Amino acid sequence: DVKVTQSSRYLVKRTGEKVFLECVQDMDHENMFWYRQDPGLGLRLIYFSYDVKMKEKGDIPEGYSVSREKKERFSLILESASTNQTSMYLCATNQGYTGELFFGEGSRLTVL
Amino acid sequence: AQSVTQLGSHVSVSEGALVLLRCNYSSSVPPYLFWYVQYPNQGLQLLLKYTSAATLVKGINGFEAEFKKSETSFHLTKPSAHMSDAAEYFCAVSSNTGGFKTIFGAGTRLFVKA
Repeated sequence: DVKVTQSSRYLVKRTGEKVFLECVQDMDHENMFWYRQDPGLGLRLIYFSYDVKMKEKGDIPEGYSVSREKKERFSLILESASTNQTSMYLCATNQGYTGELFFGEGSRLTVL
Repeated sequence: AQSVTQLGSHVSVSEGALVLLRCNYSSSVPPYLFWYVQYPNQGLQLLLKYTSAATLVKGINGFEAEFKKSETSFHLTKPSAHMSDAAEYFCAVSSNTGGFKTIFGAGTRLFVKA
């Protein structure tokens, strides 16, 4: 079974803090994704990566950056957290253009 | 550009009743369509997917969905609801020209009454 592990299930941070969310997958998949989930909005793509050191902006990249130094690890960085970044963050991985996504359990971030 | 519309943010059914969750998509190229389920405090998991083979797709837990190109729909059904089906359901679309992106609908929360 594919396992996607997100480093923190729950985080509470203060406005202006730098936040790191880490995601590790064990299935050697090429593609990794960071989504943000908010009630009534579904999942919105923040960034994705289809290879080591490669990254592409999704639909809502503002205020975020990512890092993929190794194939199995994809990090989401909030350089200066703001209250409107309070949300559930989901990491996912797949292989190919049309493969199903495998999700981590999510990281719920609260910014005070 | 691709998009997904799920009709109804909340659906409530009685245990044993038919479940029908509606999804319409927009895509200029042949789509690949998915339904995912999310139980409380968990990530999403795949229920079923359509990848241009049979138009009626069967998934896990007794769910199925039918791809109707003429209606641009991919509605999810289950003949008899169970209490354990209570969850949030997401319809999603991707394509060979979508640049690895999967686009999700806003989700439908299913409530099952005893």
